[in-house]
Amino acid sequence: SQKIEQNSEALNIQEGKTATLTCNYTNYSPAYLQWYRQDPGRGPVFLLLIRENEKEKRKERLKVTFDTTLKQSLFHITASQPADSATYLCAFTGGGNKLTFGTGTQLKVEL
Amino acid sequence: DTAVSQTPKYLVTQMGNDKSIKCEQNLGHDTMYWYKQDSKKFLKIMFSYNNKELIINETVPNRFSPKSPDKAHLNLHINSLELGDSAVYFCASSQDRVAGTEAFFGQGTRLTVV
Repeated sequence: SQKIEQNSEALNIQEGKTATLTCNYTNYSPAYLQWYRQDPGRGPVFLLLIRENEKEKRKERLKVTFDTTLKQSLFHITASQPADSATYLCAFTGGGNKLTFGTGTQLKVEL
Repeated sequence: DTAVSQTPKYLVTQMGNDKSIKCEQNLGHDTMYWYKQDSKKFLKIMFSYNNKELIINETVPNRFSPKSPDKAHLNLHINSLELGDSAVYFCASSQDRVAGTEAFFGQGTRLTVV
């Protein structure tokens, strides 16, 4: 069955460093992969989408890569700030725009 | 202006009751969804409607019945509530059903069945 995993349930880093979150998938070849941010008590908020034919996508301090050979996407936050602390979810989209989410990685940026 | 709004935000009810969660989007989107987030924070799709037509129906007990009176509304009715139904339910919408379209989520409804 299709599986999408985000390693490390929690990631603690120091302010100013680059946070790198990993998303691995099996038994699927998604045409699109999305990243969402979720704060406690709130719904997920869309951050970035990357297509299978794109190697990299950037938005301000965010960068996403997509390696279809490794079946992996990396999500980077440069110059991280305490306000970046949240849970980050990767998801691939299937028919009907159905989102299949990963397990999520909780990021904590410490002063 | 809240883009996707759901009510209520919290719902505590006894086993065996029937309850509904309402969702409205003011984005003019064609497609709406219900997702369930369990105690381990795993988010999984339940249903999707496109222009009031059911297009995704995951393996969900038939005690759960979605209803879309118009494309701006998607309500979720749950019959005979069970303890295992306790979770956070998120409504979402997207412009259309084309894969890769950004989804907008509501703030969630935390359902607790006692």
